[in-house]
Amino acid sequence: AQSVAQPEDQVNVAEGNPLTVKCTYSVSGNPYLFWYVQYPNRGLQFLLKYITGDNLVKGSYGFEAEFNKSQTSFHLKKPSALVSDSALYFCAVRDTLRDYKLSFGAGTTVTVRA
Amino acid sequence: GAVVSQHPSWVICKSGTSVKIECRSLDFQATTMFWYRQFPKQSLMLMATSNEGSKATYEQGVEKDKFLINHASLTLSTLTVTSAHPEDSSFYICSAPGQKGFETQYFGPGTRLLVL
Repeated sequence: AQSVAQPEDQVNVAEGNPLTVKCTYSVSGNPYLFWYVQYPNRGLQFLLKYITGDNLVKGSYGFEAEFNKSQTSFHLKKPSALVSDSALYFCAVRDTLRDYKLSFGAGTTVTVRA
Repeated sequence: GAVVSQHPSWVICKSGTSVKIECRSLDFQATTMFWYRQFPKQSLMLMATSNEGSKATYEQGVEKDKFLINHASLTLSTLTVTSAHPEDSSFYICSAPGQKGFETQYFGPGTRLLVL
């Protein structure tokens, strides 16, 4: 079975400081990994994905994530957080040996204070 | 980019009535769409996979007679919550794979359902 863990319910950072949102995964085969962001009462917006290739993936709004196969992690990072980055972040995984369904983590609420 | 819309964005209904939620892919065709349910401050739970021209595939524990799914065309899937009850109140989100396949799913803005 495939699963995703986001160990932190909440992450609080000051504006201008680095932001990291943690994600670990478990799959049988090779993973497709995704990060989505959700603002209040809105659907999910795609940030970035890892399919293959470079372990460091760059995405929208200055976010990036690093795929680490040995640690089965895919942490989301931003060098300098903005207040507008405050939102709910979801990590998701798809097992390439299984079907196309995505499994989502529980989500991490990010609060960036001015 | 790929855009998915949902209608209505929110709906309030009386207990016992049925509510239909539409999910449309605006600039691409989607033979498959997914329906999720999200409770406040919780993750998305996949309810069912909607397949154009065939029956939907429901996840374990989801009542197919309660949540009717119809994939009428290559750009439209509908979710009907039948005989709604207050416990059906939730945020319903649909998604569709992009044109390059299932590598990326594009999500609708969601529909907030409140059953009184």
